[in-house]
Amino acid sequence: DARVTQTPRDKVTEMGQEVTMRCQPILGHNTVFWYRQTMMQGLELLAYFRNRAPLDDSGMPKDRFSAEMPDATLATLKIQPSEPRDSAVYFCASGYGTGNGYTFGSGTRLTVV
Amino acid sequence: SQQGEEDPQALSIQEGENATMNCSYKTSINNLQWYRQNSGRGLVHLILIRSNEREKHSGRLRVTLDTSKKSSSLLITASRAADTASYFCATDVASGGSYIPTFGRGTSLIVHP
Repeated sequence: DARVTQTPRDKVTEMGQEVTMRCQPILGHNTVFWYRQTMMQGLELLAYFRNRAPLDDSGMPKDRFSAEMPDATLATLKIQPSEPRDSAVYFCASGYGTGNGYTFGSGTRLTVV
Repeated sequence: SQQGEEDPQALSIQEGENATMNCSYKTSINNLQWYRQNSGRGLVHLILIRSNEREKHSGRLRVTLDTSKKSSSLLITASRAADTASYFCATDVASGGSYIPTFGRGTSLIVHP
């Protein structure tokens, strides 16, 4: 089965360090999302791309977070500088259009100490 | 605030029983989806129901949608221990020319063997 691949699976970093998370969407999918999941907030949408163009990143703290799609096979989410409150599981999901459901990756568990 | 909210937050049943989870939302939607998340894993798409549909089936899953009440339900019949997971509804909400999928906080289902 086709899958969304996220790396790294786990990341522990010190406060202030830069963190880059990567996602390989399913080939042919034109929609990519980044979500953050915490116990307190649940699943929060951070960024949304269609055909590699950012459509919505209103849920993302702009001063430290950035999301890009340098090409159709790679989406990145960068945090610089990282803070302990960024500790969460970050999910990437991809899909085609809006009527077909989305495929999630296994997530990156980020711990900032 | 969350667009969709699942109810109950937690549900504990015996194997073989049916499990019903509800989702209420606030604004008009394009479609509604249900996802399952096993502990420590990514979300898995279960079923999508469009705003002009009222009921949909997939195996042991039955989803209903009542747009007048802004609510949906997910019924799992003849539950199994393997159905133990968290279940989320996601609504595609129109925003700035695109549809933004937003998730509720989920229902935690435990099925006892």
